[in-house]
Amino acid sequence: GEDVEQSLFLSVREGDSSVINCTYTDSSSTYLYWYKQEPGAGLQLLTYIFSNMDMKQDQRLTVLLNKKDKHLSLRIADTQTGDSAIYFCAVPGGSYIPTFGRGTSLIVHP
Amino acid sequence: DTEVTQTPKHLVMGMTNKKSLKCEQHMGHRAMYWYKQKAKKPPELMFVYSYEKLSINESVPSRFSPECPNSSLLNLHLHALQPEDSALYLCASSQELVPTRLDNEQFFGPGTRLTVL
Repeated sequence: GEDVEQSLFLSVREGDSSVINCTYTDSSSTYLYWYKQEPGAGLQLLTYIFSNMDMKQDQRLTVLLNKKDKHLSLRIADTQTGDSAIYFCAVPGGSYIPTFGRGTSLIVHP
Repeated sequence: DTEVTQTPKHLVMGMTNKKSLKCEQHMGHRAMYWYKQKAKKPPELMFVYSYEKLSINESVPSRFSPECPNSSLLNLHLHALQPEDSALYLCASSQELVPTRLDNEQFFGPGTRLTVL
């Protein structure tokens, strides 16, 4: 099955850029997702990228996809304290159901 | 309406109790999912319904019993749970299980925080 890996923690200063990385194993996915989860809450879809794209920009968010290396990244520009949360990379495998990475805890400090 | 609602938000139950979790969506989605999430872990898939029929059961113990009464509702009946079943239970929905369009993302509810004493 699909294997999705993420680093567990990222700490940044307010105003800096954050880059959260994700690697996956199944190259058949047609789309890949980033979800955000705040403490005690459900998952909120942040953005997604189609597999035929290299980059997608949506306001402060930039998603980069390197299909050859099976690497996905999420960049958050001008990171704010409200961005502190857990970010999950999700990659659908052969069953079309997303496999979630373990999540990266983003900590933003003043 | 792009919302998935779940009730209750919090539930505390004893090991001999019977309770139910409810999930509702009005987006016309035909696939609905139950996930279990422990602290600081990713969601783990439990069940998937497609067109109101159970399509996937990820070897979940029988003390968890899902039900899909209609295309908008999904229930999870709980009976004789164990303390290790304490977790956040998330419901999600998507257009379809096997996508015929590219934007088949899952929409998640806020979850029910379950504590089993």
